[in-house]
Amino acid sequence: DQQVKQNSPSLSVQEGRISILNCDYTNSMFDYFLWYKKYPAEGPTFLISISSIKDKNEDGRFTVFLNKSAKHLSLHIVPSQPGDSAVYFCAASGGTDSWGKLQFGAGTQVVVTP
Amino acid sequence: DAGVTQSPTHLIKTRGQHVTLRCSPISGHKSVSWYQQVLGQGPQFIFQYYEKEERGRGNFPDRFSARQFPNYSSELNVNALLLGDSALYLCASSLRTGSYNEQFFGPGTRLTVL
Repeated sequence: DQQVKQNSPSLSVQEGRISILNCDYTNSMFDYFLWYKKYPAEGPTFLISISSIKDKNEDGRFTVFLNKSAKHLSLHIVPSQPGDSAVYFCAASGGTDSWGKLQFGAGTQVVVTP
Repeated sequence: DAGVTQSPTHLIKTRGQHVTLRCSPISGHKSVSWYQQVLGQGPQFIFQYYEKEERGRGNFPDRFSARQFPNYSSELNVNALLLGDSALYLCASSLRTGSYNEQFFGPGTRLTVL
């Protein structure tokens, strides 16, 4: 039962433009959402998070938006840089798993072209 | 500061064998979680330990077990290996258990079962 879904397996964007990554979830009890970036042969690196009491969180070039009614979140990267080329995972926790188990989407491969 | 460390980096085993994977959390972090990532999917939760006690278990068979030591390091054990156990095994540490709690990942152990 995939409760976190990233429906775009890949995204290509030009350097300097905006990258928008999308994530949908089905469990209304999720109350904390995170984005991770993963390079090959490395573990996921934490990027940014948002709790369900907010609808936006910013950290430098990264902004996460949460739409609870639509059970949808997105990650905006502005401006995109070549070093942003990686796989991005959306993750969620909360509800009965209040001890913080993360449920991940399948990931979106981002390629930033010059 | 050292991040999460895992050993070994790579491991090749044959079906039916047993394997032990090790993880050292970030200094000061008391919670360790284990995840399995197969190619093309997001990480899947296996276990979480906090203060040496199991806090949560994912949908994995009893062949998978883990423990946490007084220094908060952790071991993941897998018995009677199957071909399908081939995956990247990720360890994540966090300050505490519960939601609203970023988890920081190690580089992973790549397990190949032949």
